[in-house]
Amino acid sequence: NAGVMQNPRHLVRRRGQEARLRCSPMKGHSHVYWYRQLPEEGLKFMVYLQKENIIDESGMPKERFSAEFPKEGPSILRIQQVVRGDSAAYFCASSLQSGGSYNEQFFGPGTRLTVL
Amino acid sequence: QKEVEQNSGPLSVPEGAIASLNCTYSDRVSQSFFWYRQYSGKSPELIMSIYSNGDKEDGRFTAQLNKASQYVSLLIRDSQPSDSATYLCAVNYRANQAGTALIFGKGTTLSVSS
Repeated sequence: NAGVMQNPRHLVRRRGQEARLRCSPMKGHSHVYWYRQLPEEGLKFMVYLQKENIIDESGMPKERFSAEFPKEGPSILRIQQVVRGDSAAYFCASSLQSGGSYNEQFFGPGTRLTVL
Repeated sequence: QKEVEQNSGPLSVPEGAIASLNCTYSDRVSQSFFWYRQYSGKSPELIMSIYSNGDKEDGRFTAQLNKASQYVSLLIRDSQPSDSATYLCAVNYRANQAGTALIFGKGTTLSVSS
């Protein structure tokens, strides 16, 4: 399967725990984006990364959230000390190009985070 | 504040009819525009992209772009019950030279009755 992969698909955490969400982009893609979809809300951009670089984190909450895309391995979105308001579907997307007009983004299946 | 607006619906059409979905955006410098389909509980699936004014056709789908009016639409011909889903309009937001975050509308729910 050459599509975007995310794991886990479902994640349950208690308040105060840490959540780690992983994303492997499509084969050949080096641009990764994280989006969050809250219940009854639209998809909201969080962060855009290339290998070893955070390019745009304008949508990321200032506290408790961090993201990385190391030289080797998947991109990771980390949420520390989770609260109930973090319960949402987190989607990763990847693209072949960046900038210009041709940055079609393809989405993974998502991780559904539930905070108890 | 960059925004993408869509009617939430539901838009109900009978099987075989044309479904018309509309979207307006606020950022005049936006360059690329996308339609995604999202079934309940699933992830967004890219169905159309459009970059130039005019129409772009792909099978039963036609995307229309009017940059002067900041308006994008999606037409679905010969609608099928399997087209019942939420359709998301997305616009490229260039945060900087490399930034390519997408701004999404909240989506229009389409219901096709057989």
